[in-house]
Amino acid sequence: DIQMTQSPSSLSASVGDRVTITCRASQTISRYLNWYQWRPGRAPKLLIYAASSLQSGVPSRFSGSGSGSEFTLTISSLQPEDYATYYCQQSYTLPHTFGQGTKLEIK
Amino acid sequence: QVQLQESGPGLVKPSETLSLTCSVSGDSMTGYYWNWIRQPAGKGLEWIGRIYTSGSTYYNPSLKSRVTMSIDTSKKQFSLEMSSVTAADTALYFCARQKAVAGDPFDYWGQGNLVTVSS
Repeated sequence: DIQMTQSPSSLSASVGDRVTITCRASQTISRYLNWYQWRPGRAPKLLIYAASSLQSGVPSRFSGSGSGSEFTLTISSLQPEDYATYYCQQSYTLPHTFGQGTKLEIK
Repeated sequence: QVQLQESGPGLVKPSETLSLTCSVSGDSMTGYYWNWIRQPAGKGLEWIGRIYTSGSTYYNPSLKSRVTMSIDTSKKQFSLEMSSVTAADTALYFCARQKAVAGDPFDYWGQGNLVTVSS
């Protein structure tokens, strides 16, 4: 299985801050990397697919980059509704695998 | 608006079978994979497996011996059964949709169904 490693595992930041989360794959996955946001009690939400494509309806402050085995999710200016846990996921091969999550908390 | 909703018992006894159903609304089931994903408390997400509208399945090898998925497109539902459960299967179980195109993401998810394995 492809192992996905996110860093950091948790992060404290203030409204308006720029935040970057990193995801590394244990082998190359081309650009088959997706990012999700999850807030407890809600359905996980697809933010970014194919490493850098913004899902319809997702604010433009979210962006993704990378290819091969290293990827980043950036939130350009944190908003109160962005406090959540973020997961990366590879869709390059089966079984699909996720990072362990990055919990973004209010500073 | 596509919506997925999980349903099923919140409590299952050890060694018994966990059964969950996901109901789909807002779109046809055709052309998609229908997935189950779980999140044990305090841990990350684990993909359990998927089923296509034809009934073909792929299960995570780590769970394959205990998992069975089925689909009823007329009812717009698909289901998960996991046998011989233990406390390690206690988790929030999600269903999710994935377009049947190589590399596509999970574009819609349910809110999750918490299942506790305990006697």
